[in-house]
Amino acid sequence: DIQMTQYPSSLSASVGDRVTITCRSSQNIGKFLNWYQQKPGKAPNFLVFAASVLHTGVPQRFSGSGSGTEFTLTISGLQPEDFATYFCQQTHNVPHTFGQGTKVEVK
Amino acid sequence: QVHLHQWGAGLLKPSETLSLSCNVSDGSFSGYYWTWLRQSSGRGLEWIGEIYHGRRASYNPSVESRVTISQDKSKRRFFLEMRSVTAADTAIYYCARGGEYYNSGTYYKPLDYWGQGTPVTVSS
Repeated sequence: DIQMTQYPSSLSASVGDRVTITCRSSQNIGKFLNWYQQKPGKAPNFLVFAASVLHTGVPQRFSGSGSGTEFTLTISGLQPEDFATYFCQQTHNVPHTFGQGTKVEVK
Repeated sequence: QVHLHQWGAGLLKPSETLSLSCNVSDGSFSGYYWTWLRQSSGRGLEWIGEIYHGRRASYNPSVESRVTISQDKSKRRFFLEMRSVTAADTAIYYCARGGEYYNSGTYYKPLDYWGQGTPVTVSS
């Protein structure tokens, strides 16, 4: 299985901050990398596919980058509704595996 | 707007069979990867498997021997059966749709719609 390692596991930030989350894969996955946001008690919400393409309706303050084994999700200008947990997922190989998640908390 | 609604028994005893259903309303049923996942504090988010119309289902090797994913296109539903459950199968189970998104010559398969989740507890 491809191992997905996310870091940090949690971070504290304030509204307006720029936040960067990193996801590393154990082998080259090209751009087969998705990002999701999850709020407590809810299913994950799809944000980004192909490492950097925003899903329809996702605010432009979100951006994704990377290819191969190193990927980042950046939130530029954190908004109150962005406090949540973020997960990366690779769909290069079955089983499709997820990172452990990064919880973005209020500072 | 596509909506996935899932249901099934939430409390099982060890060795029993977990059965979940997921109904898809609106949108096409064909052309998508209908997927089951689970989430627990111990294992995080785990992809269980997926089924695509006209193809064999694909499974996570960690559960493949105990799992069957099937679909009924006429009812716009797909199903998860997990046999011989243990306490380690305690989790929130989700159904989801794997879409086909095209970018720069390649199709990608993110999970774009999710069910509401079904908490499942396995306990004697």
